[in-house]
Amino acid sequence: AQSVTQLGSHVSVSEGALVLLRCNYSSSVPPYLFWYVQYPNQGLQLLLKYTSAATLVKGINGFEAEFKKSETSFHLTKPSAHMSDAAEYFCAVISGNTGKLIFGQGTTLQVKP
Amino acid sequence: GAVVSQHPSWVICKSGTSVKIECRSLDFQATTMFWYRQFPKQSLMLMATSNEGSKATYEQGVEKDKFLINHASLTLSTLTVTSAHPEDSSFYICSAPVAESDNSPLHFGNGTRLTVT
Repeated sequence: AQSVTQLGSHVSVSEGALVLLRCNYSSSVPPYLFWYVQYPNQGLQLLLKYTSAATLVKGINGFEAEFKKSETSFHLTKPSAHMSDAAEYFCAVISGNTGKLIFGQGTTLQVKP
Repeated sequence: GAVVSQHPSWVICKSGTSVKIECRSLDFQATTMFWYRQFPKQSLMLMATSNEGSKATYEQGVEKDKFLINHASLTLSTLTVTSAHPEDSSFYICSAPVAESDNSPLHFGNGTRLTVT
């Protein structure tokens, strides 16, 4: 069964600094991977997705993620953090052919001025 | 882009009453919708898969009689929390895939904050 693990429940960076949110996946087949962002009391917004077309995926708001099969990782990065990036971030994987999204535990990103 | 509308955004009810939450796909048809539950500062837990024209598929440990799901049309799924209790207080979020493919991302509603007093 597919699953994802997010390392670090809380990440704090200074405004303008690099953002790195970690996600490792477990899958016996090529996975479909996603990153979502959630602002307080709201639903989830898709940041980007990996569907095997390209290993480096660019998303919205300046975020990107690189699929590394050798490391079973799909870490999310952004070169320069903005205050508006403070939110909860979830890595997710499609479970088999059901279309169900299985989420990681989430990482809270704090951006300090 | 694709939009999923969820209503109400928040609701307060008394113990023993039932609450209905609606999830609509606004500019696309969704034969499948997913219902998630999220506890404070935790991840999303899949409750059930709502299937248009057939019974919902519930995840292990989710009470079917407690959380009634009806997928009445290609654009509407409803979740009814029956005989609500304080422990049912949570954030409920629906989602739908935009396209009928295995790797289609889900689009989410804005969630419903349920508080049972």
